[in-house]
Amino acid sequence: KQEVTQIPAALSVPEGENLVLNCSFTDSAIYNLQWFRQDPGKGLTSLLLIQSSQREQTSGRLNASLDKSSGRSTLYIAASQPGDSATYLCAVRGSYIPTFGRGTSLIVHP
Amino acid sequence: GAGVSQSPSNKVTEKGKDVELRCDPISGHTALYWYRQSLGQGLEFLIYFQGNSAPDKSGLPSDRFSAERTGGSVSTLTIQRTQQEDSAVYLCASSSEDLSTDTQYFGPGTRLTVL
Repeated sequence: KQEVTQIPAALSVPEGENLVLNCSFTDSAIYNLQWFRQDPGKGLTSLLLIQSSQREQTSGRLNASLDKSSGRSTLYIAASQPGDSATYLCAVRGSYIPTFGRGTSLIVHP
Repeated sequence: GAGVSQSPSNKVTEKGKDVELRCDPISGHTALYWYRQSLGQGLEFLIYFQGNSAPDKSGLPSDRFSAERTGGSVSTLTIQRTQQEDSAVYLCASSSEDLSTDTQYFGPGTRLTVL
């Protein structure tokens, strides 16, 4: 059974810092890994999707990497802003039902 | 529509009542998922629909929960005889059929409170 762990569970940083959020998974037989953002009281918004054959994806200040062999993915956020404050979740898809981590709660203070 | 929509956005009910939650997926998406998110918890898978195939109901927590999807589009999640532990945010997501490339698109959720 796939297990997904996200570290740290919570993070509070001053504006401008570069951040790394971690996601690890136990079964490397995956189709893709997806990073989401969830604002309080809202649904999930897709940030980046990395297919199993890919090593990384970039969108603006976000960069996600995938190392299937070690069962790890990282989400790098450059030059963090208060508007980045949210919960970040990763989801691993090894079948049609994805497995979600419990998220990293990020606060970026001015 | 432009995205996944859910209704109602909030639902307050009394213990023992039945509730229906609705999800309108993105047009053309064949896969539809229901999840539950309790306070401080991760996403709990409930049920999965794919086209005309039989749904995967393996995540439903009890026989009080059921869901249907009519015409391969709109889905309704029904909770009978609600209990206080059913209080949570219920999220719906849809995606295309390609497991390697598809992105899950989520609705805003329905916040259910059982008094």
